[in-house]
Amino acid sequence: DAGITQSPRHKVTETGTPVTLRCHQTENHRYMYWYRQDPGHGLRLIHYSYGVKDTDKGEVSDGYSVSRSKTEDFLLTLESATSSQTSVYFCAIRQVQGLAQYFGPGTRLTVT
Amino acid sequence: GNSVTQMEGPVTLSEEAFLTINCTYTATGYPSLFWYVQYPGEGLQLLLKATKADDKGSNKGFEATYRKETTSFHLEKGSVQVSDSAVYFCALLQETSGSRLTFGEGTQLTVNP
Repeated sequence: DAGITQSPRHKVTETGTPVTLRCHQTENHRYMYWYRQDPGHGLRLIHYSYGVKDTDKGEVSDGYSVSRSKTEDFLLTLESATSSQTSVYFCAIRQVQGLAQYFGPGTRLTVT
Repeated sequence: GNSVTQMEGPVTLSEEAFLTINCTYTATGYPSLFWYVQYPGEGLQLLLKATKADDKGSNKGFEATYRKETTSFHLEKGSVQVSDSAVYFCALLQETSGSRLTFGEGTQLTVNP
């Protein structure tokens, strides 16, 4: 258990509304990641962070923004949700020692 | 760019059968390789890893060997159990650009009693 929580765990929202998902970790990990999981695509990286206020884009970043104002929290924002953003979103951390990433429980987002 | 290809699923086996899930990759340099498992309704859990050629990762009876010559990292288990039913993801990581993981599409395994 890498001490990762995600909130909310489930959310239904309407097209065009803003949505923010939160990832919280308790162990001071430097690297944090947001992925989305869709059938037939595995997991795809949206954004990642390598420190407070240091973020970069992944392969599917369009329509998403992130912020990291403190080590323990990494926020993913959909400025104006679309139906194509219906997905399961996973946060992950990378420990200092070793290369593996550890995942949170996920947030299921439905955009109607 | 990097890519990971997994054998198509779903895979259905009887309990105690031998399991192989194929995984091949395309990458520059020397990536690290991982298998993750996802049980229904849960997040991904690290199953095993290998960081250099000829390394064998193992955990819970599962094994995979990093074969650079065939760019493969096939997952095997000698005798599966019903509790092994899950989705299995192969992934690679290169220590550049934030050490991002590249995943395969996942393989659904169902083990029947």
